[in-house]
Amino acid sequence: KAGVTQTPRYLIKTRGQQVTLSCSPISGHRSVSWYQQTPGQGLQFLFEYFSETQRNKGNFPGRFSGRQFSNSRSEMNVSTLELGDSALYLCASSLASRTSGLALEQYFGPGTRLTVT
Amino acid sequence: AQSVTQPDIHITVSEGASLELRCNYSYGATPYLFWYVQSPGQGLQLLLKYFSGDTLVQGIKGFEAEFKRSQSSFNLRKPSVHWSDAAEYFCAVGALTGANNLFFGTGTRLTVIP
Repeated sequence: KAGVTQTPRYLIKTRGQQVTLSCSPISGHRSVSWYQQTPGQGLQFLFEYFSETQRNKGNFPGRFSGRQFSNSRSEMNVSTLELGDSALYLCASSLASRTSGLALEQYFGPGTRLTVT
Repeated sequence: AQSVTQPDIHITVSEGASLELRCNYSYGATPYLFWYVQSPGQGLQLLLKYFSGDTLVQGIKGFEAEFKRSQSSFNLRKPSVHWSDAAEYFCAVGALTGANNLFFGTGTRLTVIP
């Protein structure tokens, strides 16, 4: 079974621009979560989508948004980029059911390395 | 609030030596515990998980972890480290009540000396 895929793998943008990152979950996984990883803050949860709806959101400004499509693929968008948005953005997928710990067993993609100059 | 502490930022071991990476968590509900490994420039790979039952869990690559509720710990162990184990290791905790996301520790970087 194919793993989680993320595109693009690397991206360089300038301040003020916007960016869209894409994530395709493991087949059959309906939940997609996004994380930001930086050396200073570590791994921080951005948001989670299930059935095209944002189910959960971390503590990030409104410049960070996302969406999920009917095929469970997800995109995240960052508008008005700031230097501090430079990070590795990780997407993770999991089975959606909240009746077991499998909902929390997340499988990660390779990430998108975003550099803001 | 959920939190995870990995007290060791960096550990260096010789190849063939045993390894123990520490993880302490704080969470009021029943925790679901995970260990992930991240190689440079890569995403996170799930090593093992604890949901319930036997407190000693086996994972991939010869790793195991022991859940100790009384100590709020979930330490990762490996009896004999290989050079390819050099990476960063993250402990994570989650719960089915409330937010459906994982809280990660700050990670422990493992260096393996030949």
